[in-house]
Amino acid sequence: QKEVEQDPGPLSVPEGAIVSLNCTYSNSAFQYFMWYRQYSRKGPELLMYTYSSGNKEDGRFTAQVDKSSKYISLFIRDSQPSDSATYLCAMNWGAQKLVFGQGTRLTINP
Amino acid sequence: KAGVTQTPRYLIKTRGQQVTLSCSPISGHRSVSWYQQTPGQGLQFLFEYFSETQRNKGNFPGRFSGRQFSNSRSEMNVSTLELGDSALYLCASSLLERGGDTQYFGPGTRLTVL
Repeated sequence: QKEVEQDPGPLSVPEGAIVSLNCTYSNSAFQYFMWYRQYSRKGPELLMYTYSSGNKEDGRFTAQVDKSSKYISLFIRDSQPSDSATYLCAMNWGAQKLVFGQGTRLTINP
Repeated sequence: KAGVTQTPRYLIKTRGQQVTLSCSPISGHRSVSWYQQTPGQGLQFLFEYFSETQRNKGNFPGRFSGRQFSNSRSEMNVSTLELGDSALYLCASSLLERGGDTQYFGPGTRLTVL
């Protein structure tokens, strides 16, 4: 069993829809949680970073962490075609070693 | 402020050769981490350097090695290349000494082993 599980998709939604992306993890030592966006043939770009349970909002993006359930989510409101990318969850426990999910490939259709 | 830069961006090598990849972190960042990304295994941690010392290491064979210079620039080396080493190699830098700090990725070096 992988430490971090993420549905690879692909996920296809119409423009303007609310997108929900999720990861589950098994290591209760994880303290820091991140979401990265990766466009084709590019490096991952940090979207959201949090270290506590609860919600964190940044523009159209909301990151949610539930440590009791070992479950994290990323919500994208008013999705745009430019949001089409692969979304990666990542987490660590205090060392710089990030453990990534497999990534979810998302397509927003105009 | 300039982002993380990696050179070269693309490389083609043959089995048995060795390769050196370079990474320049964001100015002021002292921690540099390396990751391998493949379609099958996703993003996997290779190692992390801070102040010229390797602090963390992932589960990769000894053919994968790295180093960091006094200006925080880092190199990774892969010896005796195998077909399975074909991947996107990503470098990430972070500012703070302690773990848990946000990591910023470069564009990667795409290595193809023939």
